[in-house]
Order: sequence, then C-alpha cells, then structure tokens
Amino acid sequence: GQQVMQIPQYQHVQEGEDFTTYCNSSTTLSNIQWYKQRPGGHPVFLIQLVKSGEVKKQKRLTFQFGEAKKNSSLHITATQTTDVGTYFCAGPTGRRALTFGSGTRLQVQP
Amino acid sequence: EADIYQTPRYLVIGTGKKITLECSQTMGHDKMYWYQQDPGMELHLIHYSYGVNSTEKGDLSSESTVSRIRTEHFPLTLESARPSHTSQYLCASTPTGTDGYTFGSGTRLTVV
Repeated sequence: GQQVMQIPQYQHVQEGEDFTTYCNSSTTLSNIQWYKQRPGGHPVFLIQLVKSGEVKKQKRLTFQFGEAKKNSSLHITATQTTDVGTYFCAGPTGRRALTFGSGTRLQVQP
Repeated sequence: EADIYQTPRYLVIGTGKKITLECSQTMGHDKMYWYQQDPGMELHLIHYSYGVNSTEKGDLSSESTVSRIRTEHFPLTLESARPSHTSQYLCASTPTGTDGYTFGSGTRLTVV
C-alpha cells in the first residue's frame, strides 16, 4: 500500500533558527495536506497543495509540492516557541481517506 | 473552532468490557473518519464513512465496528477491550474527500 514517510523524525532548534521537514510518498499524490499537532492535542489542518511545483506561504511557514507530486516540504523561518509540536503531511489513498506520514516532532529551545 | 465532539475525553476500563466512543459533528459533513494514534506516533485509519449507512474498514479495524445511522453521528464500538487497545482515538470529518479534515479532541483510552 501507499506509504508516506517524513524526515527528520525529531528536530530540536534554538528559537530564531529555521526548520524544515520533508515528506515523501511512494506514489504520485493528487494533493498533499499538512497538519500540526500540539503536545497533548489533536491534528489541526494547515494547508493543502494541489498543483505540481506549487508553493504556498502562511506568515513564517512555506509549503512546497514537488514537480512529480511525490514529495513535499514545510519550512519555518525564525522558529518561535509557539511552533512546538508535531507536523504531519498526509495524502489521499486508494481507500479514499488520508494516509498520514510518520510526523516530525519540533522542539524549540527559548 | 472545530464543531466536532468526542466523548469521553478520557476512559479507563477493564479487559473484556464493551465500550462505545462517541463522535458527533454539527457541520453537516458527509465524510467521517476514525484514526488511532499512539503518543507521538503516526495516525492509523480504523474506519471511514462517506455518508449515512456507508462504512468502510481501514487498516486497524478488525477489532472494532462503526455505524452511521445519522449524518452527524459516527460512534466506534470495541466489543471486548484489551490492553493492546490502549491508545488515543481521533474522529475527523470533511465536507468532501479533498478538503482538510477537522479533528475532534480525541478519546484517550486505557485498558487495564
């Protein structure tokens, strides 16, 4: 079945440093979504990318969808303590539901 | 603010008990989902529904059942709880199959 992998599994940065997480799918995706889950919380939808090579920005967050629509990245510029959490990418599967990646846990040191 | 509600928020039960986790949404979404998530780990699809009287199994569904009698309600039942069922159960909904999911706050289940 389809697999969605993310790297790194965990990253610890100093506040103000940049952060990037990468998402790779074993199959071509019609779209990719990103979610953030705060510690002890539930996933919250951030954004969806649909087009090949698409780039979207939300304040300090930049999302990219690869040309082959099999990979994606999330980049955070100048991290803040409020960015702490686990970031998941997710893509639709043949079961007509989202397959979530393994997640990248971000820890920000003040 | 998400309009999808899960109860109970926390539950501790004994092995062999039958339990039902509730999930309700007031957004009129046709598509609803159940995911299981161990702490800090990825989400695994248990069941999903595309509308009333429509349910499908996911990857970890063999020990649970769901029903969708009303659009807003999608309960999950474990017939006989085991310690291996200890996990967080997340319910989600979306208006279409390609929109972002709205998740409930989850039920943290502990089976002793």
